[in-house]
Amino acid sequence: EDQVTQSPEALRLQEGESSSLNCSYTVSGLRGLFWYRQDPGKGPEFLFTLYSAGEEKEKERLKATLTKKESFLHITAPKPEDSATYLCAVPRDAGNNRKLIWGLGTSLAVNP
Amino acid sequence: ETGVTQSPTHLIKTRGQQVTLRCSSQSGHNTVSWYQQALGQGPQFIFQYYREEENGRGNFPPRFSGLQFPNYSSELNVNALELDDSALYLCASSSPTSGRRADTQYFGPGTRLTVL
Repeated sequence: EDQVTQSPEALRLQEGESSSLNCSYTVSGLRGLFWYRQDPGKGPEFLFTLYSAGEEKEKERLKATLTKKESFLHITAPKPEDSATYLCAVPRDAGNNRKLIWGLGTSLAVNP
Repeated sequence: ETGVTQSPTHLIKTRGQQVTLRCSSQSGHNTVSWYQQALGQGPQFIFQYYREEENGRGNFPPRFSGLQFPNYSSELNVNALELDDSALYLCASSSPTSGRRADTQYFGPGTRLTVL
């Protein structure tokens, strides 16, 4: 069964304390992996799309990497404003439709 | 470039009523997907519209229906509301890419629906 699993469920960091979030997937024939940030009660904000194993993308303090079975979101020297839920999603083809399958997210809290 | 917008922001309905949620896609996007997100969960796919036609549906009953208009804006209609329909409803727009790569979906701010 196609599945996306994120770990840890929750993470609390001190400001400046770097860490990594994990997203593992079992979808065959990966056609992309998406990372989003979501603040409480708001829609997901797009961060990165990764398509191939070995691919890396960076944006400010965030860096996303992809292997054949999982993706990591590395957060370097986080700030309190990085506190949010980080979601990953992969598309699964069903005919012409590419619906996204989502993990439950990692809730990140960064303390000043 | 205008992003994805949704209306209303919040909505309170009672069980058995009907509701219509609206979404305007990002400029240049012809595909709209709708998701339901319960508290503490990832979004669940409801359906997708591409060029005014339904282009796939998730595991939601027929009382969830939708439309897409010629300007690619979209509506989500839910009939006979149930308590479990209380959730954040998200609309995402995208533009199909060629080849195997999946297109990136950009989300609106969501509509918070509360069913009493």
